[in-house]
Amino acid sequence: GAVVSQHPSRVICKSGTSVKIECRSLDFQATTMFWYRQFPKQSLMLMATSNEGSKATYEQGVEKDKFLINHASLTLSTLTVTSAHPEDSSFYICSASPVSYGYTFGSGTRLTVV
Amino acid sequence: AQKVTQAQTEISVVEKEDVTLDCVYETRDTTYYLFWYKQPPSGELVFLIRRNSFDEQNEISGRYSWNFQKSTSSFNFTITASQVVDSAVYFCALRSSNQGGKLIFGQGTELSVKP
Repeated sequence: GAVVSQHPSRVICKSGTSVKIECRSLDFQATTMFWYRQFPKQSLMLMATSNEGSKATYEQGVEKDKFLINHASLTLSTLTVTSAHPEDSSFYICSASPVSYGYTFGSGTRLTVV
Repeated sequence: AQKVTQAQTEISVVEKEDVTLDCVYETRDTTYYLFWYKQPPSGELVFLIRRNSFDEQNEISGRYSWNFQKSTSSFNFTITASQVVDSAVYFCALRSSNQGGKLIFGQGTELSVKP
């Protein structure tokens, strides 16, 4: 089946540093990928839609300069949290759609900023 | 506006009890898709079902069943004879045809099945 691989699964970083999260589609091409953020005990909130070869589309209220998204190939999208602060600590999860109206999710990245 | 409401924040049952998780959605689109996902403590999302707006047939898969009622904009999920392994957060989600592939998630229902 279609697999989306997400790395790292956990990361702890110091406040002010940047963290890159990778999302790869292993056995299919993904022209579009989606990035979600989930705070503890809350739902998944869409942050942005990543489009291969073009700029990402950000949801309202998401800072483009803080959450940099790059989708340079049909199998890789990256999310970089720049100048991370403790309030950015969250669970980040990506997804892609290998078939029409179906979604595969990565295993998620738990980011802790200290 | 697209919206998914899961009014039950937490549910606790004893093993072997049946439990129904409610999901109510809002959309103005005539073509849309509804999903249920399970999120165990590890965090990954496990796909359970996808249903399109033109298919109102109820579905059963083992101990799981889903009741889709367009008249009430509901897509409820029932677990029969619950087991401890069913303990997780369950999310209902909506994808409308005009939303560029975005999934709108409900708030989630945390199900705790006690032995």
